[in-house]
Amino acid sequence: EAQVTQNPRYLITVTGKKLTVTCSQNMNHEYMSWYRQDPGLGLRQIYYSMNVEVTDKGDVPEGYKVSRKEKRNFPLILESPSPNQTSLYFCASSHDPKSSYNEQFFGPGTRLTVL
Amino acid sequence: QKEVEQDPGPLSVPEGAIVSLNCTYSNSAFQYFMWYRQYSRKGPELLMYTYSSGNKEDGRFTAQVDKSSKYISLFIRDSQPSDSATYLCAMRKTSYDKVIFGPGTSLSVIP
Repeated sequence: EAQVTQNPRYLITVTGKKLTVTCSQNMNHEYMSWYRQDPGLGLRQIYYSMNVEVTDKGDVPEGYKVSRKEKRNFPLILESPSPNQTSLYFCASSHDPKSSYNEQFFGPGTRLTVL
Repeated sequence: QKEVEQDPGPLSVPEGAIVSLNCTYSNSAFQYFMWYRQYSRKGPELLMYTYSSGNKEDGRFTAQVDKSSKYISLFIRDSQPSDSATYLCAMRKTSYDKVIFGPGTSLSVIP
């Protein structure tokens, strides 16, 4: 089944404790992206990657890191989480971001709470 | 002013009603318009994708774009309880530009 998977789905942690949220897609997509979703603000892009070893900042990159060592994986790293990073996180992928029709496939989401 | 605005709802309608969901935007450079549906505890999924102005129909769903008014709509005919979800509008300026999402409208269709 073609899909984007994220782990963990739920995470409660404390301020300053480094964590990684994994994202993997099995569709051989070039483009991958991380979003956070907050009430009233919609989905905001954190980082994106056009291909292996190519990453760039989105709208809200502060406090986050990413890497793209393999095409299928795009982990999101919070080196020192803070309470304002409590949110619902989505990973997404698409085949060709430059095509006129560019459907993004989203993972199921990771609900993160930072105490 | 936010780039893309939606009434957050919640919107509650009886089964079989026609639903109208709307978004307004401020940047006239947007050309590609999308509607995503997001069920509770799930990721968004693409529902409709349109380019420039006009209408697009897919089954019970019709997407409408009015670029002169900077206004897009999604109509759902014969609404079903399974349509209960949050609907996100989204748009981009060019085919390779980032997607800007609206905050979403929560819809409940009551049997």
